[in-house]
Amino acid sequence: DTGVSQDPRHKITKRGQNVTFRCDPISEHNRLYWYRQTLGQGPEFLTYFQNEAQLEKSRLLSDRFSAERPKGSFSTLEIQRTEQGDSAMYLCASSPSGVENGYTFGSGTRLTVV
Amino acid sequence: AQKVTQAQTEISVVEKEDVTLDCVYETRDTTYYLFWYKQPPSGELVFLIRRNSFDEQNEISGRYSWNFQKSTSSFNFTITASQVVDSAVYFCALSEAGDDMRFGAGTRLTVKP
Repeated sequence: DTGVSQDPRHKITKRGQNVTFRCDPISEHNRLYWYRQTLGQGPEFLTYFQNEAQLEKSRLLSDRFSAERPKGSFSTLEIQRTEQGDSAMYLCASSPSGVENGYTFGSGTRLTVV
Repeated sequence: AQKVTQAQTEISVVEKEDVTLDCVYETRDTTYYLFWYKQPPSGELVFLIRRNSFDEQNEISGRYSWNFQKSTSSFNFTITASQVVDSAVYFCALSEAGDDMRFGAGTRLTVKP
């Protein structure tokens, strides 16, 4: 394992459908983060986990967004009832401890809602 | 509230020119971390450097150098003798007590041959 893996790379969905993205962090990293990046902007923090515990979720964009990391390894981000405004790049990152070590980002999942 | 400003939206230079990317931040905390990331066309964010608020020593890594000045709340990034492969979007980011980063809007650097 040489990096953070995200699947799928691209997702096109119709408005109103649910979508789920997966992130596999670097295996020894216990912290996992989700960010969203819209065109022309920097990444925006959504939520993060330490092992299986979700330590911050107040900045998830709405109650349509939810994330899990059930066994402290991979994580999923689900968006229910997608809207066109959800179209963005969803980035996952992992870190061995805190933010002070910086993150390693995955290549992202690009979501297009039509 | 933390805030990061990258006033330069786009910069275009010719290969071998030096270029400086500006980053100004706002924070009320005395302990914080600053970062620079590179996002090439492939989309993956690549970590370049981390600096904590107690370490104002400037750093040089090959053609890259960083100038951290707490007095002006700036953390500028200079690329010396730029190359076409340096073309990317560069982000400055700030983290305070929590575990999240606040990113600037990024500067798109284009290096022409």
